[in-house]
Amino acid sequence: ETGVTQSPTHLIKTRGQQVTLRCSSQSGHNTVSWYQQALGQGPQFIFQYYREEENGRGNFPPRFSGLQFPNYSSELNVNALELDDSALYLCASSSGLQETQYFGPGTRLLVL
Amino acid sequence: KNEVEQSPQNLTAQEGEFITINCSYSVGISALHWLQQHPGGGIVSLFMLSSGKKKHGRLIATINIQEKHSSLHITASHPRDSAVYICAVCKKTSYDKVIFGPGTSLSVIP
Repeated sequence: ETGVTQSPTHLIKTRGQQVTLRCSSQSGHNTVSWYQQALGQGPQFIFQYYREEENGRGNFPPRFSGLQFPNYSSELNVNALELDDSALYLCASSSGLQETQYFGPGTRLLVL
Repeated sequence: KNEVEQSPQNLTAQEGEFITINCSYSVGISALHWLQQHPGGGIVSLFMLSSGKKKHGRLIATINIQEKHSSLHITASHPRDSAVYICAVCKKTSYDKVIFGPGTSLSVIP
């Protein structure tokens, strides 16, 4: 049990729709990172938020966006969903940059 | 060439065997994580290393910064150790980007 929760656990959307995934971090964790893991592949870094500001971004288009809130929760928003967005989306929080990351259980998104 | 590589890709062991999984990387790092992912997706952080060696129960992780290499050892392996083990490095950039290795799929047979 890492103390990091994600919602929903599973989600089905159709191409072109928008989706919001949520992550609730441990109290005091000011850093959250989001990852996309396609089936059979390793996780890919989407972006990181530190003290509510974006602090780094991987090779993902602007339709992937995020927010981090003062209550240690965060969101990943994906607009104009594409079939290839089907994946497991993981968030991980830590008490600071370069600290141990604690992973949530993930949200499994299926885009039809 | 991937920045983080792991070997072996797949591993089958008999219960009780000593297991070693290797990770090599080609970038400057500030830290390295060993992660365990069970079927269904949940990821558990096993170790975070920046130097030396760490031990937790039957698991031991070592890192050699000069050689850009890390190993994860499992002593007295058990079927419940069956999972994918992932090495992930934190790049020495201003953004602390994390890069994941491809994972090693371990199956421990009773």
